[in-house]
Amino acid sequence: EVQLLESGGGLVQPGGSLRLSCTASGFTFSTYVMTWVRQAPGKGLEWVSGVSGSGGGTYYADSVKGRVTISRDNSKNTLFLQMNSLRAEDTAVYYCATVAGMQGHFDYWGQGTLVTVSS
Amino acid sequence: EIVLTQSPGTLSLSPGERATLSCRASQSVSSTYLAWYQQKPGQAPRLLIYSASSRATGIPDRFSGSGSGTDFTLTISRLEPDDFAVYHCQQYGYLTWTFGQGTKVEIK
Repeated sequence: EVQLLESGGGLVQPGGSLRLSCTASGFTFSTYVMTWVRQAPGKGLEWVSGVSGSGGGTYYADSVKGRVTISRDNSKNTLFLQMNSLRAEDTAVYYCATVAGMQGHFDYWGQGTLVTVSS
Repeated sequence: EIVLTQSPGTLSLSPGERATLSCRASQSVSSTYLAWYQQKPGQAPRLLIYSASSRATGIPDRFSGSGSGTDFTLTISRLEPDDFAVYHCQQYGYLTWTFGQGTKVEIK
């Protein structure tokens, strides 16, 4: 059974940093493109970032480019999202998800971790 | 960037009725790269439809997807109580993804 478990969310002040983790199990982690998606309170879904199976390719939404770094540790089946210079508008539930091959849809999702940026 | 616009914002229907949800793209999207998700309050999204019309594993056949180019549709043939939720469309365009703003299907 595929499982994705996010952690690392919490309350952080504007301008602060946070590192999210997503621990995966039940599939061959290193063969999957992985992604982060966020959802602000009461809003729709927003794609944030993606990373290739090897970790050599990284992709970012314009809204977070330069402030966020995605990475992975395939030896530990773990995906990361390092977030810096956080703003109030980054407040959201952050989900990790697997990307299904070349079709690009997200077939498995974690339960999400809440990031709140507030003073 | 391709923008996806979903309509209506909210659909008020009764159990047993047919639901028709629209997703319109600002430019043409390959059907291969169009997906639909269901999300219930407090839960993560769940994949319903991929490649515009293929049902994901375990999705009942009352859910169907169709469309091409810039216009895509999710149809729920007969609403069941468990189907009242928010539905999101999504497109993939070479290393970038966008979502629509969602359509809420609520009980009338």
